Amino acid sequence: QKEVEQDPGPLSVPEGAIVSLNCTYSNSAFQYFMWYRQYSRKGPELLMYTYSSGNKEDGRFTAQVDKSSKYISLFIRDSQPSDSATYLCAMSRYSSASKIIFGSGTRLSIRP
Amino acid sequence: EAGVAQSPRYKIIEKRQSVAFWCNPISGHATLYWYQQILGQGPKLLIQFQNNGVVDDSQLPKDRFSAERLKGVDSTLKIQPAKLEDSAVYLCASSFLGGRTGELFFGEGSRLTVL
Repeated sequence: QKEVEQDPGPLSVPEGAIVSLNCTYSNSAFQYFMWYRQYSRKGPELLMYTYSSGNKEDGRFTAQVDKSSKYISLFIRDSQPSDSATYLCAMSRYSSASKIIFGSGTRLSIRP
Repeated sequence: EAGVAQSPRYKIIEKRQSVAFWCNPISGHATLYWYQQILGQGPKLLIQFQNNGVVDDSQLPKDRFSAERLKGVDSTLKIQPAKLEDSAVYLCASSFLGGRTGELFFGEGSRLTVL
């Protein structure tokens, strides 16, 4: 069993829709949860991070962590064509950037 | 602020040949990482340097992969001899103490195709 599981998609939604992206994990020691965005032929960039369980909002993006279910989500409101990218969940036991485990990524396409 | 620089962007080699990738991290970032990203997968850490010392190389296939960061700034990752399964994007990343939790700054990657 992989430590982090993520549906690869692709996921295609119309502009303006609410998008839900999800990951499950098996290691209960993970405390820090991140979402990275990766545009085609570019390196990933950090979107948001969350510590332990709870929600965190940043503009149109909301990250949610449920440690009891070992399930994390990223919601994108009012999706835009510029949000089309691969979204990677990532997690770690540590607050630093060390020993981060990435999911395989979900490819998202927003149709104008 | 200049980002993480990597070269070459693309490389095609035959199996059993050797290849080297170069990375220059963001100025002042003490920690440097090499990740391997196979098509359809997330990045997997190969090696982490803190200044010029190795912090974690547990997932580096040491029989064929080597990496160095001699002066604590730029770094080179070498593969010799290459196998078909080494076809991937090799991403260099850097981070600094006091940055956002879990924040890695990635370069655009070096895409390797082994024929």
